[in-house]
Amino acid sequence: DQQVKQNSPSLSVQEGRISILNCDYTNSMFDYFLWYKKYPAEGPTFLISISSIKDKNEDGRFTVFLNKSAKHLSLHIVPSQPGDSAVYFCAASENYGQNFVFGPGTRLSVLP
Amino acid sequence: EAGVTQSPTHLIKTRGQQATLRCSPISGHTSVYWYQQALGLGLQFLLWYDEGEERNRGNFPPRFSGRQFPNYSSELNVNALELEDSALYLCASSLQGRDEQFFGPGTRLTVL
Repeated sequence: DQQVKQNSPSLSVQEGRISILNCDYTNSMFDYFLWYKKYPAEGPTFLISISSIKDKNEDGRFTVFLNKSAKHLSLHIVPSQPGDSAVYFCAASENYGQNFVFGPGTRLSVLP
Repeated sequence: EAGVTQSPTHLIKTRGQQATLRCSPISGHTSVYWYQQALGLGLQFLLWYDEGEERNRGNFPPRFSGRQFPNYSSELNVNALELEDSALYLCASSLQGRDEQFFGPGTRLTVL
């Protein structure tokens, strides 16, 4: 049973528009969440994180929102650029950074 | 359906020793990826195997090596262990040609 789910395997967005990637989790003990971006044949690159004491974290074009009651987090990319086209992984952990559980990823395609 | 499994869960070694970590992918998955998650750092790509061959490796010294067996399970070997090798080692698997990766729970390696 997957503890971290990314129910959309793929997403297509027009350049300049907002991309919203969603992630749901089942373990209420998770207290630290990350998003990674991965290009083909490369390892994932860390994007942004959020701890359970916050409900929003922003870094440039990337914003992560956390809804603890719904066990849901989302990554917003505004504005989307063609270089953002990649697979995005959501990850969660207990004890602030121990033993991460990763979702299966969502492939984002940003169309020029 | 069984997920990606890794063994052992924890491994304690001393400097200079060798460590062997094992990974069994999801049934039907032919690609196996290894990552290092050091404390406080993002996920670092180590190795990618597909159909028994090494397809790509990250920026790690040659003492990090591995192999993939005919049943698609994989081993990661770390020779001449150093203190900084202490980390969580994650294995992931995917269908050939697919970027969606399913991660195992990891092996926590501690080098004393």
